[in-house]
Amino acid sequence: SQQGEEDPQALSIQEGENATMNCSYKTSINNLQWYRQNSGRGLVHLILIRSNEREKHSGRLRVTLDTSKKSSSLLITASRAADTASYFCATDVGGSYIPTFGRGTSLIVHP
Amino acid sequence: GAVVSQHPSWVICKSGTSVKIECRSLDFQATTMFWYRQFPKQSLMLMATSNEGSKATYEQGVEKDKFLINHASLTLSTLTVTSAHPEDSSFYICSARPGTSPSTDTQYFGPGTRLTVL
Repeated sequence: SQQGEEDPQALSIQEGENATMNCSYKTSINNLQWYRQNSGRGLVHLILIRSNEREKHSGRLRVTLDTSKKSSSLLITASRAADTASYFCATDVGGSYIPTFGRGTSLIVHP
Repeated sequence: GAVVSQHPSWVICKSGTSVKIECRSLDFQATTMFWYRQFPKQSLMLMATSNEGSKATYEQGVEKDKFLINHASLTLSTLTVTSAHPEDSSFYICSARPGTSPSTDTQYFGPGTRLTVL
């Protein structure tokens, strides 16, 4: 099944620095979404980017999509300790629009 | 924003018992609900998709007699893990999608239920 793969698996940075996470996928998609998950909790939807879009912003978040390279990136600017979480990309294909998830990137932001 | 709740948040049970997990959409009607399971430090794996009033569609490798899903109303879906065993211990997350436009509707996730089978 279609699955995005995030890179890196884990990322540790200092507060105030930017964090970049990448997601690669295998086949053409309808949409790509980024989610955040705090340890042992449910998922919070961050951004949805459609296959005909190249970039979207939401506050300190910036998502890019390169369909020619089948990849997306999530940039968190001026990171905060509260951004510590796992970040997942999810892609959906076909008519069902059911997202399937990658393994996630574990981000730790040190105060 | 849209809220999805799950009950219970966590449950510990003995091997062989059945456990029911509820998933509710609190402020919207969910045409479709999804059940995922997640092992520690792993991805979410889709178990099944359920549409209100019809039988759930299970992903390959998921036993439908083991994981019973009922989507009796537009705001409630239940997952029952029957005759649970230690290997069923996991984090179960539901999500709900409102409306009838899957191409534009966002999935909203519940907070998850931690199941531990002794």
